[in-house]
Amino acid sequence: LAKTTQPISMDSYEGQEVNITCSHNNIATNDYITWYQQFPSQGPRFIIQGYKTKVTNEVASLFIPADRKSSTLSLPRVSLSDTAVYYCLVGETYNNNDMRFGAGTRLTVKP
Amino acid sequence: DGGITQSPKYLFRKEGQNVTLSCEQNLNHDAMYWYRQDPGQGLRLIYYSQIVNDFQKGDIAEGYSVSREKKESFPLTVTSAQKNPTAFYLCASSIDPPMNYEAFFGQGTRLTVV
Repeated sequence: LAKTTQPISMDSYEGQEVNITCSHNNIATNDYITWYQQFPSQGPRFIIQGYKTKVTNEVASLFIPADRKSSTLSLPRVSLSDTAVYYCLVGETYNNNDMRFGAGTRLTVKP
Repeated sequence: DGGITQSPKYLFRKEGQNVTLSCEQNLNHDAMYWYRQDPGQGLRLIYYSQIVNDFQKGDIAEGYSVSREKKESFPLTVTSAQKNPTAFYLCASSIDPPMNYEAFFGQGTRLTVV
């Protein structure tokens, strides 16, 4: 898996848009970018996955520039319940099963 | 409902004892994983299995053992050789090959050494 770098923590306020950037300078041609969310004392939950440009679902958007060396998870209008740790994973989706997580980004949403 | 189940939710172990954490999935996933999480830290990979009767060590396999006799089950044994086993343990499963790389996690087992 390509090594990823994320901010350790971020603070935001309710109703704001939050953007969490992940750096993955060594991303390979076949690598996808996947984000997970983890609440305290729970297992991580898949949020979104993408390969290039932009992906959007009901929870978040994922922006990937043309060089794919970074990606940005965008959470629109966050609420207190979005307080969690967010993990960025980068790896081949068809030839790699040793799924490893980094330290993640601890997002705190304040009232 | 399809899902992945870990049991027990809380487990207490005396020093020197082996304990086994259960992980069962009915998602028909080939790949299964065990992670350890310490307070305020990320997930660290202990073992993973891509197919029945086969498994590989992750980054912190020392003091742990696993088996994969059935597709649905991937139990983790924390042995007495694991010197600091108090942690939150998470099991996950995914399709193999993980074409969309979405893994599903259990609710975790919190192990405390007393």
